[in-house]
Amino acid sequence: KQEVTQIPAALSVPEGENLVLNCSFTDSAIYNLQWFRQDPGKGLTSLLLIQSSQREQTSGRLNASLDKSSGRSTLYIAASQPGDSATYLCAGSYGGATNKLIFGTGTLLAVQP
Amino acid sequence: NAGVTQTPKFRVLKTGQSMTLLCAQDMNHEYMYWYRQDPGMGLRLIHYSVGEGTTAKGEVPDGYNVSRLKKQNFLLGLESAAPSQTSVYFCATDRVWAPSTGELFFGEGSRLTVL
Repeated sequence: KQEVTQIPAALSVPEGENLVLNCSFTDSAIYNLQWFRQDPGKGLTSLLLIQSSQREQTSGRLNASLDKSSGRSTLYIAASQPGDSATYLCAGSYGGATNKLIFGTGTLLAVQP
Repeated sequence: NAGVTQTPKFRVLKTGQSMTLLCAQDMNHEYMYWYRQDPGMGLRLIHYSVGEGTTAKGEVPDGYNVSRLKKQNFLLGLESAAPSQTSVYFCATDRVWAPSTGELFFGEGSRLTVL
């Protein structure tokens, strides 16, 4: 069964700290992996999309990596800010006729000022 | 540029009532999806569409119907609402890069409560 897991479920860090969020997937036949941010009561906002042929993507203070062989992706946030507080979700795409996208349950991040 | 717009944003129904959620997009994307999000269960795909006039079942389609009569609109219907359908519903569109999903764009969600 294709599953995507995010650990920890919640994380609290002081402002300014660098941090890593983890995402693991059971099926390495992944086409791409996407990281999203969700603010309370809001929809999901795409942060980074890593194609299977890529190993990482960067956007500002965010860097996402993809290691298919180990079934892992990480989202690195540099110099965290209180405005980074949100739930972060990863989702793996397995393509095919159903364009199946498997979501993790997310990591709730709180950055303390 | 509104992106993905969902209406209504909130709705309370009684068991057995029917309703339709509307998703409208202005990005000319072919693929559209309806997800539900429940605590501890992540997002689960209800139905999806790969183009105007087409629909397909996702992971949890029972109790829901969909239609894609126009490319820009994707409707999700509940014919006879049940308390188990209390959830937050999200519509998404997909800038597809075959053969997989591409970058997804989500609406802000529709919170449905069934009493």
